[in-house]
Amino acid sequence: GAVVSQHPSRVICKSGTSVKIECRSLDFQATTMFWYRQFPKQSLMLMATSNEGSKATYEQGVEKDKFLINHASLTLSTLTVTSAHPEDSSFYICSARAGTFTEAFFGQGTRLTVV
Amino acid sequence: AQSVTQLDSQVPVFEEAPVELRCNYSSSVSVYLFWYVQYPNQGLQLLLKYLSGSTLVESINGFEAEFNKSQTSFHLRKPSVHISDTAEYFCAVSDDGGFQKLVFGTGTRLLVSP
Repeated sequence: GAVVSQHPSRVICKSGTSVKIECRSLDFQATTMFWYRQFPKQSLMLMATSNEGSKATYEQGVEKDKFLINHASLTLSTLTVTSAHPEDSSFYICSARAGTFTEAFFGQGTRLTVV
Repeated sequence: AQSVTQLDSQVPVFEEAPVELRCNYSSSVSVYLFWYVQYPNQGLQLLLKYLSGSTLVESINGFEAEFNKSQTSFHLRKPSVHISDTAEYFCAVSDDGGFQKLVFGTGTRLLVSP
């Protein structure tokens, strides 16, 4: 299958700072990328959907000013957690697909710890 | 709203034994069902999917799942597991078949021991 790479795989940051997570499709052009969040012992929850060149569509309850998503190219989307707090500590996963009815491939996830 | 229930958080099994990982869903519309596998330190990989047609779907590594509409289930089975099958398995449902807005279960950790 196609490869989606997330960076970094782990990050620790201080409360109040911002953290950027990258999601790259390495061998295909991703028209759509999805960002998920997973709390321990819980399922992946979709945070937002981003289409290249457009503003992201956020799921209900997700603060768009806190979780900034940029999908400026067909191979890169970024998630920036602004003014991070300990409650933002979680596992963030992205996925990407080339077309509407094509498989979405997942990155390996980023473990964010805010101290 | 759609939801997925994976009742077993962890399933221990011996190598070469059969295994069933349970998945039940709720949805008021047409459903498309998926099983993903996540090996340690890797991203989720699609294991198999049901979009339409035959209710029994198979993966290339011996897993199979059967869509049962009356029981709203999509259980994953393998007749003989290997150590290498140790991983986290996620069941997911979508209402559009386009991998859009996947709703995931909480996952089941399959632990295969010798």
